[in-house]
Amino acid sequence: ETGVTQSPTHLIKTRGQQVTLRCSSQSGHNTVSWYQQALGQGPQFIFQYYREEENGRGNFPPRFSGLQFPNYSSELNVNALELDDSALYLCASSLGTGIYNEQFFGPGTRLTVL
Amino acid sequence: AQSVTQLDSQVPVFEEAPVELRCNYSSSVSVYLFWYVQYPNQGLQLLLKYLSGSTLVKGINGFEAEFNKSQTSFHLRKPSVHISDTAEYFCAVSDWGGGTDKLIFGTGTRLQVFP
Repeated sequence: ETGVTQSPTHLIKTRGQQVTLRCSSQSGHNTVSWYQQALGQGPQFIFQYYREEENGRGNFPPRFSGLQFPNYSSELNVNALELDDSALYLCASSLGTGIYNEQFFGPGTRLTVL
Repeated sequence: AQSVTQLDSQVPVFEEAPVELRCNYSSSVSVYLFWYVQYPNQGLQLLLKYLSGSTLVKGINGFEAEFNKSQTSFHLRKPSVHISDTAEYFCAVSDWGGGTDKLIFGTGTRLQVFP
């Protein structure tokens, strides 16, 4: 059974650019949640996708958007990058949306914005 | 909205000594609590969770935590640590908001185990 994978591992962008991060969920999982982890901080919830629809959103501006595909893999898109967007971006997959369903995390994508 | 406070940013300890990592949460009618571990350059791994039932929760790698409703705490303990326990530990609480259940994380505690 393959775990949660994310690509790329590292990414360097400049302010104003756009970026797309990818996440492959664990086999059989239909829910993907995205988190932003700034240096020295805990992860912060960005949004969650369930069966290709956004199923909840944290306190992030609309320039953070996402997609979920029929195979339940997911993308996080960030437009108009700002320096404060530099962080580790984690995705987590689960069997469903309820908190009872354990979230399995990928290793993350480290984004640096210059 | 829920919040979590991890009282210690760093905890140094010698190998085979006991350790306690402290976590307090904001009060609520019902709450679900979690501890995650993050090894360097890796994602988060669930150590244990409290959903209901016994207030003493046992997890992986010999860790346990006790849910204390009156003190709104969920401290993580291990009776004897190993070098391999060196990592960042995050306490998290469930919160309903923005249309879904989500995890609210603390700022983390770095456990450094010395030989």
